[in-house]
Amino acid sequence: EAEVAQSPRYKITEKSQAVAFWCDPISGHATLYWYRQILGQGPELLVQFQDESVVDDSQLPKDRFSAERLKGVDSTLKIQPAELGDSAMYLCASRWTGGSNTQYFGPGTRLTVL
Amino acid sequence: GESVGLHLPTLSVQEGDNSIINCAYSNSASDYFIWYKQESGKGPQFIIDIRSNMDKRQGQRVTVLLNKTVKHLSLQIAATQPGDSAVYFCAEGGTASKLTFGTGTRLQVTL
Repeated sequence: EAEVAQSPRYKITEKSQAVAFWCDPISGHATLYWYRQILGQGPELLVQFQDESVVDDSQLPKDRFSAERLKGVDSTLKIQPAELGDSAMYLCASRWTGGSNTQYFGPGTRLTVL
Repeated sequence: GESVGLHLPTLSVQEGDNSIINCAYSNSASDYFIWYKQESGKGPQFIIDIRSNMDKRQGQRVTVLLNKTVKHLSLQIAATQPGDSAVYFCAEGGTASKLTFGTGTRLQVTL
């Protein structure tokens, strides 16, 4: 069964350092999402891509976060500089644009900022 | 370090019993609803979905009920098993293909 891949699974960094997360969506899924999930809460959308274009980044803290999906397939989310409050699970999801609204999630990257 | 999150509502159910997890959604314009299961340290896993033109949908051991009048969604799990222990989230979506997630409910299955 096709799955969304994410790496790394865990990342520990010190504040003010740069971190990057990678996501490879399910093949053929044109829509890709990055979410942040704080322990005990539901995922919150950071950015949505349709192919290589950003559809919605209204909740992305653009002073320190950036996201790209240059070839419309895999995507990278970067934080620079990381802050203590960025500690969370970063989830990637993808969706087939053909009609279903169901988003399929990857295993996530657990970020700890010290 | 990581902040402590909100205390999740917890449902304790004995193995073999049926579970009912409830969710209140906020947007009357939402036309699509999904239930996800999330085990510790993993990403949310799709369970079942329902469109707003339906009031009930059944899957394998799971049933979702939608009451648009009171904006309420429920997930029923038949013959609950230890492997069903997880946090369950409902999510609502509309035409913009974005999902808004609820708070989540922790299901604990006791033997």
